[in-house]
Amino acid sequence: KNEVEQSPQNLTAQEGEFITINCSYSVGISALHWLQQHPGGGIVSLFMLSSGKKKHGRLIATINIQEKHSSLHITASHPRDSAVYICAVTGNQFYFGTGTSLTVIP
Amino acid sequence: EPEVTQTPSHQVTQMGQEVILRCVPISNHLYFYWYRQILGQKVEFLVSFYNNEISEKSEIFDDQFSVERPDGSNFTLKIRSTKLEDSAMYFCASTLRNSLNEKLFFGSGTQLSVL
Repeated sequence: KNEVEQSPQNLTAQEGEFITINCSYSVGISALHWLQQHPGGGIVSLFMLSSGKKKHGRLIATINIQEKHSSLHITASHPRDSAVYICAVTGNQFYFGTGTSLTVIP
Repeated sequence: EPEVTQTPSHQVTQMGQEVILRCVPISNHLYFYWYRQILGQKVEFLVSFYNNEISEKSEIFDDQFSVERPDGSNFTLKIRSTKLEDSAMYFCASTLRNSLNEKLFFGSGTQLSVL
C-alpha cells in the first residue's frame, strides 16, 4: 500500500507553462515535505508545510489538511526545473511518494 | 549554505562483506537520518537518530544495519553482511530540531553496489 500518492507520474511541459503536481496521503501527518531530486540523484528540500501555503520564487506549495492533499505549483517553468519532485510526509515515520518526473522543453 | 557531506560517493563491495557509509551532518544539527533509494524506486526511510540513540527505524532496518555517531561530527551507517538487494543510493540527512517541523538537509548520497 502507498501511504503517499503523487500525480502525475510523468509530466512534460513547454517552457513558460504553469505546472501543478499533486500529492495525496492517507496517514495522519505532522508535516509534508516537497523535495526535488536532480538527474544526478541529489535531493534538495523545497518546502516543509504543516498548513496553508508557502511561496519561494516561482514555486508555490499548498496543503489542505482536511482533504489530505497538497499541491506544488511552478509558474513560468524553465528547463532547469526538470527533475523528479517528491512528496514526503512525516507521521510516526517518513513516508515518500514515488515522485513526479518533470521535463520542461525549451 | 552549510552542507551535509557523504563519503564515499560510490562504493562497490562483494556480497557478504561489511560496508560503512559515512556522513558529516551540518555542525549544529541534532537529528540525523538515513534513507535509501533502490534504482527506479521511491526513497525509503531507514532510521532516525538523536541524542546518541535510534529514535525511529523502519522494517528495512534489521539486525544487519547499525548506526553510530563515533565522534562529534561523523554519523555512520554500517551494513554487516551485504546482500545483493542492499544495492541502492543511500542518503544521509540532518535537521536542527525534530524533523516533524523542520526542513531536511540531504547529503548527495552514496551509491552502493553489491556484487
